[in-house]
Amino acid sequence: GQSLEQPSEVTAVEGAIVQINCTYQTSGFYGLSWYQQHDGGAPTFLSYNALDGLEETGRFSSFLSRSDSYGYLLLQELQMKDSASYFCAQVGGGNKLTFGTGTQLKVEL
Amino acid sequence: NAGVTQTPKFRVLKTGQSMTLLCAQDMNHEYMYWYRQDPGMGLRLIHYSVGEGTTAKGEVPDGYNVSRLKKQNFLLGLESAAPSQTSVYFCASSPPGQDYEQYFGPGTRLTVT
Repeated sequence: GQSLEQPSEVTAVEGAIVQINCTYQTSGFYGLSWYQQHDGGAPTFLSYNALDGLEETGRFSSFLSRSDSYGYLLLQELQMKDSASYFCAQVGGGNKLTFGTGTQLKVEL
Repeated sequence: NAGVTQTPKFRVLKTGQSMTLLCAQDMNHEYMYWYRQDPGMGLRLIHYSVGEGTTAKGEVPDGYNVSRLKKQNFLLGLESAAPSQTSVYFCASSPPGQDYEQYFGPGTRLTVT
């Protein structure tokens, strides 16, 4: 089946910029979504890339390179409330998402 | 709008018992999904539905059954619970053609002893 790879943990300081990478398998690829999940909470949608390039939504941006089978989520002006897990998810055929195992982001003072 | 709701929030079962988890959405979404989330393994798709009366298997369907008798409801059943089914279960929904943007319920934390 499809598998996505992301780092398990990333640590950064408040106010900094952090990039969370995701590599995916090319078979049946339509696009890449990103979700945020706080401890004990539900995943919430952040961003989606169907085409190569950068999508910007406030402090968060997401990038996709189909030729490299690679994407990333960029978080700017980090705040303590950004401490959460971040998942990339591959949009494939059959109306389904396949999620990566998640990256736990810790924001420190 | 309540969005996506799930009942119950918590449940403890003994091995071999059965139960049904209920998911309801008030956004008139066609697509609905059931996932399980285990530590370090992300979200894995159990079953999904692209419309009332239709269901399909996801990545990890064994030991679960589902039904979508009404558009707004998606039920997940465990006929004979096993300790391996201890997990957090999330329901989600999305409009047709927007499966990349799913709306999740708050989750059900299930423990099977």
